[in-house]
Amino acid sequence: EVVLTQSPGTLSLSPGERATLSCRASQSVSSSYLAWYQQKPGQTPRLLIYGASRRATGIPDRFSGSGSGTDFTLTISRLEPEDFAVYYCYQHGGSTWTFGQGTKVEIK
Amino acid sequence: QVQLVESGGGGVQPGRSLRLSCAASGFTFSTFGMHWVRQAPGKGLEWVAGIWHDEREEYYADFVKGRFIIFRDNSKSTLYLQMNSLRVEDAAVYYCTRDRWEGYEKFFDLWGRGTLVSVSS
Repeated sequence: EVVLTQSPGTLSLSPGERATLSCRASQSVSSSYLAWYQQKPGQTPRLLIYGASRRATGIPDRFSGSGSGTDFTLTISRLEPEDFAVYYCYQHGGSTWTFGQGTKVEIK
Repeated sequence: QVQLVESGGGGVQPGRSLRLSCAASGFTFSTFGMHWVRQAPGKGLEWVAGIWHDEREEYYADFVKGRFIIFRDNSKSTLYLQMNSLRVEDAAVYYCTRDRWEGYEKFFDLWGRGTLVSVSS
């Protein structure tokens, strides 16, 4: 089973700053099956990025994804107030689907 | 309106059973794989189980194998999760989610609001 490890656990930044979130897989995963989700308190997860780098419909271009193999990154170029949330990476491989433990982006 | 609506959650004692339902609307349910994902209070997302669009294959996380059963009724556009031998650690919000293909990419694109399951004596 693929384990996804996200870092850091918490990122304290100010609006306007750049956020870089990491997702490392315990073994190589297909970029086609790597996605990122945003979740705010009391809300359901929202798809941001799929296929490692493709933005989902309606997602602002300040969100970008990159990476391959075992190392993937979600970048928020300039944090807006509504971007402070928890972010999860996700992968599907074979007969398992897994999420990372999440990175919380909080206001500094 | 494209949506998923879960129901069936509630409070149960350890060892008891509960059946969750997820009613789909606004899309052709029978053409999508479906999954259950859970989230314990204050914790992260955890995949639980998935089923192919035509029910030919089911998949389970190790921690629910032998206890939970995922199934669907395409004629009713409804997904189910039969949860048996519930444990305290199964307490969570259970989300129903749709498996989507976009070209070669695959991801969960549509989520219900979730139904809360509490397990305690």
